[in-house]
Amino acid sequence: DTEVTQTPKHLVMGMTNKKSLKCEQHMGHRAMYWYKQKAKKPPELMFVYSYEKLSINESVPSRFSPECPNSSLLNLHLHALQPEDSALYLCASSQETGIYTIYFGEGSWLTVV
Amino acid sequence: AQTVTQSQPEMSVQEAETVTLSCTYDTSENNYYLFWYKQPPSRQMILVIRQEAYKQQNATENRFSVNFQKAAKSFSLKISDSQLGDTAMYFCALAYNNNDMRFGAGTRLTVKP
Repeated sequence: DTEVTQTPKHLVMGMTNKKSLKCEQHMGHRAMYWYKQKAKKPPELMFVYSYEKLSINESVPSRFSPECPNSSLLNLHLHALQPEDSALYLCASSQETGIYTIYFGEGSWLTVV
Repeated sequence: AQTVTQSQPEMSVQEAETVTLSCTYDTSENNYYLFWYKQPPSRQMILVIRQEAYKQQNATENRFSVNFQKAAKSFSLKISDSQLGDTAMYFCALAYNNNDMRFGAGTRLTVKP
């Protein structure tokens, strides 16, 4: 059983919609991540939060807006997405941002129509 | 620059047999970790095994073991007594800090009954 929980598991949205992906972990981890994974490709890092502060933004378009309300929660707000943004979005966490094992959630499969 | 190469896009093995997945990498760092993650059809990325570069002893987790050759920059995964549940995409990953984890392209493993 995963200790990183993501909701929803599946989301279909139009290009003018506003939606959010949510992630929660209860392992006391202080680093949280968003990854994007296209079909048959490895995950690509999008954002890193360390102690609730955004530390890394891998040049992600502003239509993706991350938020870390507290140390257990991580959101990804979506607005005006394009069909090419359809992908699996993986949330992950680790104890800190040094070299620590990263634990992944089950992912949220996003389809933009 | 860090790179991770998995040269076997697909592999198959008979149930109860042994299979080895290959991974090579390149890094100029001295302190790094290597990981094997498994991604079954459920899409969750699951940690299989990890190896600290400073440790000479190969990591082992039950049926999973690695052959870590630091000088050759090789990190292969051996799965013994393969089970149907081992069917998944396997990603090799390299990190010297969690902000810059690099994944290989993946190897799709099918265990046949």
